[in-house]
Amino acid sequence: DIQMTQSPSSLSASVGDRVSITCRASQDIGDYLAWFQQKPGKAPKSLIYSASSLHSGVPSKFSGSGSGTDFTLTISSLQPEDVGTYYCLQDYSFPRTFGGGTRVEI
Amino acid sequence: EVQLVQSGAEVKKPGESLKISCKASGYTFTSFWLGWVRQVPGKGLEWMAILYPGDSDTRYSPSFKGQVTISVDTSIRIAYLQWSSLKASDTAIYYCARLRGGYSYAPVDYWGQGTLVTVSS
Repeated sequence: DIQMTQSPSSLSASVGDRVSITCRASQDIGDYLAWFQQKPGKAPKSLIYSASSLHSGVPSKFSGSGSGTDFTLTISSLQPEDVGTYYCLQDYSFPRTFGGGTRVEI
Repeated sequence: EVQLVQSGAEVKKPGESLKISCKASGYTFTSFWLGWVRQVPGKGLEWMAILYPGDSDTRYSPSFKGQVTISVDTSIRIAYLQWSSLKASDTAIYYCARLRGGYSYAPVDYWGQGTLVTVSS
């Protein structure tokens, strides 16, 4: 199975800060990488697919970059509604594997 | 509007069987893969299995193969996740999720609201 390593496991930032989360794959996965947001007590929400494409309705403050083994999710200006846990997921091979998650706090 | 509506929370005893459901609406049910994801309380997400309603092609993650069964009833647009003999370690929230396209490596776009399964004696 492909291992997905997310860092940091948690972070605390201020309102308006630019925040970045990284995800590293144990092998080349091209751009088969997705990002999800999970607010406390809620189902995950799809943010980004194919490493950098935003799902419909996702604010442009979210952006994704990277290819191969190293990927980054960036929130350009952190707001209170962005609090939650963010996960990456590789879509390259079965079984799909998630990163361990990054808890974002303000 | 695409919607995935899951069945309600369940409380079961070890050894009991269970079938939970995910009802889809707002799109052509037989043209998109559906997946199931587990989340143990307080823990991360785990990919369990996927199924293509068009031909019932199913694929299980090795960790879940033989532990659960996924199926679909296309006449009522419902996908199922079932256990024949629950264990306490099956206690988790289970999410269904739609894959964006008609191929097994398509990205996830929509999620159900989740079903909490509690297994306790």
